[in-house]
Amino acid sequence: NAGVMQNPRHLVRRRGQEARLRCSPMKGHSHVYWYRQLPEEGLKFMVYLQKENIIDESGMPKERFSAEFPKEGPSILRIQQVVRGDSAAYFCASSLSAGVDEAFFGQGTRLTVV
Amino acid sequence: QKEVEQNSGPLSVPEGAIASLNCTYSDRGSQSFFWYRQYSGKSPELIMFIYSNGDKEDGRFTAQLNKASQYVSLLIRDSQPSDSATYLCAVRVSGNNRLAFGKGNQVVVIP
Repeated sequence: NAGVMQNPRHLVRRRGQEARLRCSPMKGHSHVYWYRQLPEEGLKFMVYLQKENIIDESGMPKERFSAEFPKEGPSILRIQQVVRGDSAAYFCASSLSAGVDEAFFGQGTRLTVV
Repeated sequence: QKEVEQNSGPLSVPEGAIASLNCTYSDRGSQSFFWYRQYSGKSPELIMFIYSNGDKEDGRFTAQLNKASQYVSLLIRDSQPSDSATYLCAVRVSGNNRLAFGKGNQVVVIP
């Protein structure tokens, strides 16, 4: 019974490149949440998705960031033209129903932009 | 005003003592409150949740909620070196399906 799987665990990108972060929710979970944690900071909500739908993207930067959760396959957080300020840990969580109270977090992807 | 505030600096406690952590929140409509533990370089791990005013105990952990004063606290009794971590307070934002987190408090248990 695998938990929330994120890959890669570590990602290094040069400024201007694209970063793709993947999140496979727990089996049977159809709700996915993405959070970003900057160094020495708490987690900041980015986006909440249900299969094929973005429910709440109020925490997503308006430019360069996008997220999807297709009918098949993992959820993807995509960052285009990365900048140094995008360096952070990105955590994905999933829940069975529409209740973030019962969400489980993945191990995170640590993005470093050089 | 931040949604969730944890203002205390790093907390050092001797092994076996009680560690006390506090958190305040701004959204009066919030109904769900959480404490997560995060070891360095790892993901947050839920250790307690509380929905009602008063105390909730789970093993060595006690969460306390006071909605009138808008604060949540966490007590760790008989602190162990394995409790050394950062503790994140989180609140479910009313009318939303997302959590707002505080910056966290680092706890160091000294053997």
